Amino acid sequence: ETGVTQSPTHLIKTRGQQVTLRCSSQSGHNTVSWYQQALGQGPQFIFQYYREEENGRGNFPPRFSGLQFPNYSSELNVNALELDDSALYLCASSLVGRSYTGELFFGEGSRLTVL
Amino acid sequence: GNSVTQMEGPVTLSEEAFLTINCTYTATGYPSLFWYVQYPGEGLQLLLKATKADDKGSNKGFEATYRKETTSFHLEKGSVQVSDSAVYFCALVPGGGADGLTFGKGTHLIIQP
Repeated sequence: ETGVTQSPTHLIKTRGQQVTLRCSSQSGHNTVSWYQQALGQGPQFIFQYYREEENGRGNFPPRFSGLQFPNYSSELNVNALELDDSALYLCASSLVGRSYTGELFFGEGSRLTVL
Repeated sequence: GNSVTQMEGPVTLSEEAFLTINCTYTATGYPSLFWYVQYPGEGLQLLLKATKADDKGSNKGFEATYRKETTSFHLEKGSVQVSDSAVYFCALVPGGGADGLTFGKGTHLIIQP
């Protein structure tokens, strides 16, 4: 059983650029969610995808967007990068059945630095 | 809105000491409560959970009881080990799950031999 993998692990961008982060879900999981973790803070929910559709979103602007593919892998795209977007971006997968359990399996994250 | 407040760290203890990390929450409805742990160099992983009032979650010697009357979910362990050194996050999810998990800021635990 493979875990959640994310790429790249580290990247540096400049303000105004665009970035795409990628995530491969744990085998058998049908739901993927993304979180932003600023230094010294807890993760903050960005959005969640189930069956290739966004079915939940946190308090993030539209320049944060995502995709989920038929194989349940996912992308997080951020346009018009700002300095405050510098953070660790975490992908988490889960298996959602009749009820939501909140048991998420996290990757190690992609650390984004915006200069 | 939903929020989680947990004690600030770092918390430094000696091996075999008793551990309590406080967590209180604010939420609408009846959320499920979680403790996640992040060991050095690893991703977040679920430590334990409780889904309704008075439930006790337990794992690896850690315990936490869902207290609706005090809106708390304190993490306890009777005898900590050096290997317990990590960052611990209290979290909640409202019923349905579409709002994602709401996490506290995390508590860095350091266990000295």
